[in-house]
Amino acid sequence: RKEVEQDPGPFNVPEGATVAFNCTYSNSASQSFFWYRQDCRKEPKLLMSVYSSGNEDGRFTAQLNRASQYISLLIRDSKLSDSATYLCVVKRTDSWGKLQFGAGTQVVVTP
Amino acid sequence: GAGVSQTPSNKVTEKGKYVELRCDPISGHTALYWYRQSLGQGPEFLIYFQGTGAADDSGLPNDRFFAVRPEGSVSTLKIQRTERGDSAVYLCASSRGQGETQYFGPGTRLLVL
Repeated sequence: RKEVEQDPGPFNVPEGATVAFNCTYSNSASQSFFWYRQDCRKEPKLLMSVYSSGNEDGRFTAQLNRASQYISLLIRDSKLSDSATYLCVVKRTDSWGKLQFGAGTQVVVTP
Repeated sequence: GAGVSQTPSNKVTEKGKYVELRCDPISGHTALYWYRQSLGQGPEFLIYFQGTGAADDSGLPNDRFFAVRPEGSVSTLKIQRTERGDSAVYLCASSRGQGETQYFGPGTRLLVL
């Protein structure tokens, strides 16, 4: 079983709509959580960190549920430019340098 | 400022050959990481350096893979006796310090024929 699992999608979202998707992680030693965004044939870029109390960054909201070991990302008022693959990332306490990536969830925002 | 740079951007080689992939981290970043991303997958950790030393090389798949960072800045990932299964995008990242935000380079696309 992979350490970080994501629904690959694609999630087809009309422009202006809201989309949400989850990621589950298997290792309870996971300490830090992030969402990265990756455009086609580009490098991953940090979208946002995920904090225990949940956090927002503009139209993006991230939630963490440690008891159930999942992380969620919600995108409100979707823009065409939000089309990308969203990578769920965890970092464990026993290896501060190693990011564990999920396979990504593809989001396609349509006009 | 300049981001992480990687050269070459593309590399085509034949099975059995040796390749070197180079990474120039962001100036002043002490930590450097290598990942490998296969089609349809997320990046997979290979190795990371804190300064000149490899702090964690647990992701290197076998002894054909080796990485160095002799002066604590530029790093080279070396793959011996390449196999078709080594074909992937090799991503380098750097961070200001250990455990801080990792910034990725554009990657080197390796194709082994």
